[in-house]
Amino acid sequence: QQQVKQSPQSLIVQKGGISIINCAYENTAFDYFPWYQQFPGKGPALLIAIRPDVSEKKEGRFTISFNKSAKQFSLHIMDSQPGDSATYFCAADDYKLSFGAGTTVTVRA
Amino acid sequence: NAGVMQNPRHLVRRRGQEARLRCSPMKGHSHVYWYRQLPEEGLKFMVYLQKENIIDESGMPKERFSAEFPKEGPSILRIQQVVRGDSAAYFCASSGDRGPGNTIYFGEGSWLTVV
Repeated sequence: QQQVKQSPQSLIVQKGGISIINCAYENTAFDYFPWYQQFPGKGPALLIAIRPDVSEKKEGRFTISFNKSAKQFSLHIMDSQPGDSATYFCAADDYKLSFGAGTTVTVRA
Repeated sequence: NAGVMQNPRHLVRRRGQEARLRCSPMKGHSHVYWYRQLPEEGLKFMVYLQKENIIDESGMPKERFSAEFPKEGPSILRIQQVVRGDSAAYFCASSGDRGPGNTIYFGEGSWLTVV
């Protein structure tokens, strides 16, 4: 049973556009919500993370929005660039990470 | 400032052989996690260890798989009598003290192919 549900499975966006990835969770014990970026043949790398007492966090072109009452959170990638083409995983942390299934983002030049 | 180091990066084993994957956590980290990623799938938790202790092995298959993190040396994930279905990328991750906001860092993975 997947504890974190992630959508969409894949998306294609034009250069300069906005990519939006959504995640939902059930377990209220989760207390930290990171996003990881993974390129083919590489390990996941932490992109940005948020704690549940914060509704939004922005780092450069990446923004997390967090809705604690709905148990949902999302990643927005602004001004998408071809170098952002990767697989993105949301995760939820109690004392270990539970991952969403991943979203493959393709940015077309 | 070395990150999480995994070796070997690529490993080919015949069915029935043993696979040993090694992981050295980031300096100062005492918490180690192993995850498995099947082709075109997400990361599945396998086991969480601290030095000399298994904290949570709820994601480990009941047979053939074992993990350790000794007082000295790297963490080892051991797969005995490998089968084709074990072919996957195995990622090790580490963190310092546990608690909200303590980042878990991943290694580059060990890709196991069973032929």
